[in-house]
Amino acid sequence: GESVGLHLPTLSVQEGDNSIINCAYSNSASDYFIWYKQESGKGPQFIIDIRSNMDKRQGQRVTVLLNKTVKHLSLQIAATQPGDSAVYFCAENFSGTYKYIFGTGTRLKVLA
Amino acid sequence: DAGITQSPRHKVTETGTPVTLRCHQTENHRYMYWYRQDPGHGLRLIHYSYGVKDTDKGEVSDGYSVSRSKTEDFLLTLESATSSQTSVYFCAISARDWDEQYFGPGTRLTVT
Repeated sequence: GESVGLHLPTLSVQEGDNSIINCAYSNSASDYFIWYKQESGKGPQFIIDIRSNMDKRQGQRVTVLLNKTVKHLSLQIAATQPGDSAVYFCAENFSGTYKYIFGTGTRLKVLA
Repeated sequence: DAGITQSPRHKVTETGTPVTLRCHQTENHRYMYWYRQDPGHGLRLIHYSYGVKDTDKGEVSDGYSVSRSKTEDFLLTLESATSSQTSVYFCAISARDWDEQYFGPGTRLTVT
C-alpha cells in the first residue's frame, strides 16, 4: 500500500464501539470542511462535509461536529466495523477560493 | 472513484526525464486539481484548472506544468523529473470551486 502515513497518530477501537477522530483546523475564516477516508493504495474518499453555519451534521453511521470557537472538527463513527480501518483526514476551505488545506490524518485501526 | 481515472498508476523514471501523468473524468465537472501526497504532509496542491485552457498554480507548482485542452482531461507534466518529485499524485474534480472534491486512485511516481 501507499506509505503516505508512516508516523500518523493511531486510534485503535474495538469492533462495534464508537470512534471519535479529531482535527484542529488552521484558518478561522474557513467556512467549509470535509472529512475524507483513505484506504491503503487508494485515493481519498469523501465521507461527509459541513459548512460553518452548522454545528453538527449526520450521515449514515457518521456525524461531524464543528466547534468554530476553538477551530475544532470531529468525526464520530458509530458501531465501528473492520471496513472502517483507514486513514481519516479533514480538509478546510474558505468559500470562493480553490485552496483546500488538508490535515495529515489519523489512522483508525479496528480490532476484532 | 467517481468516474476519475489516472494513468499510469505506477511509474519509475530517471532523473532528468520528462514525465506526463493523465487524469480523465467522465463527470463533466468544471474544476480539476493535481495534488501530491508525501509522508508527514497533507495533500498539497500543485495546479488546478477552472475550465478548458484555464489553469492556475498551487502551493507546490515549481517543476510542474499542466494542460487542459478538453473538459475531461487534465495533464500534469514534470519537465525534468527530480528525486524530490517522487510522490503519490492524485487528481481531483469538483463541480464548484468550494464544493466537495472527488479523488482519483492515484499515481505512484518514483524518480531514481
